[in-house]
Amino acid sequence: KNEVEQSPQNLTAQEGEFITINCSYSVGISALHWLQQHPGGGIVSLFMLSSGKKKHGRLIATINIQEKHSSLHITASHPRDSAVYICAVSQGNLIFGKGTKLSVKP
Amino acid sequence: DGGITQSPKYLFRKEGQNVTLSCEQNLNHDAMYWYRQDPGQGLRLIYYSQIVNDFQKGDIAEGYSVSREKKESFPLTVTSAQKNPTAFYLCASSLGTSAYNEQFFGPGTRLTVL
Repeated sequence: KNEVEQSPQNLTAQEGEFITINCSYSVGISALHWLQQHPGGGIVSLFMLSSGKKKHGRLIATINIQEKHSSLHITASHPRDSAVYICAVSQGNLIFGKGTKLSVKP
Repeated sequence: DGGITQSPKYLFRKEGQNVTLSCEQNLNHDAMYWYRQDPGQGLRLIYYSQIVNDFQKGDIAEGYSVSREKKESFPLTVTSAQKNPTAFYLCASSLGTSAYNEQFFGPGTRLTVL
């Protein structure tokens, strides 16, 4: 069983929709990271959180430490949000989920 | 501009040849990492370095070697002992190896072994 599970694996949405990507983990962690990988392959860090909720623009990330679960929400989605979103947990080194491929159609 | 660079973006090699992937950062970060990404799989750690002249094996170090002679540079050599070298390779760096340190990623090198 993977230590970090993401769902869904693939997600197609219409522009403007509210999107949720989920991440569950089975190990004790110090922090959880959400990353975005664009089609060209480059990865950028979106959030690092160890409790509660963070917001940046249209992106919101939440974590429930007791339930070992995190969600990434995108409000008013746009085609430029199309990317692979990766959840990673940190016990020192990062353990990565397989990613959720998001496609937002105009 | 501060950042992390990898070269080349695409690399083709014949089976049995060693190949070295470049990774350079000007962020003054102490820690550097090499990851491998295969289709349908999460990133996997190959090697990491917390400080100059020191490095540790990650989860899939077999068939790979690294050096850290300078703070800015962390080259990865894919040797002929690596059974399935075709993959996307990502380099990253961070201030330190604390769980709370953000990692900054390079653009990646796609290696194809023919």
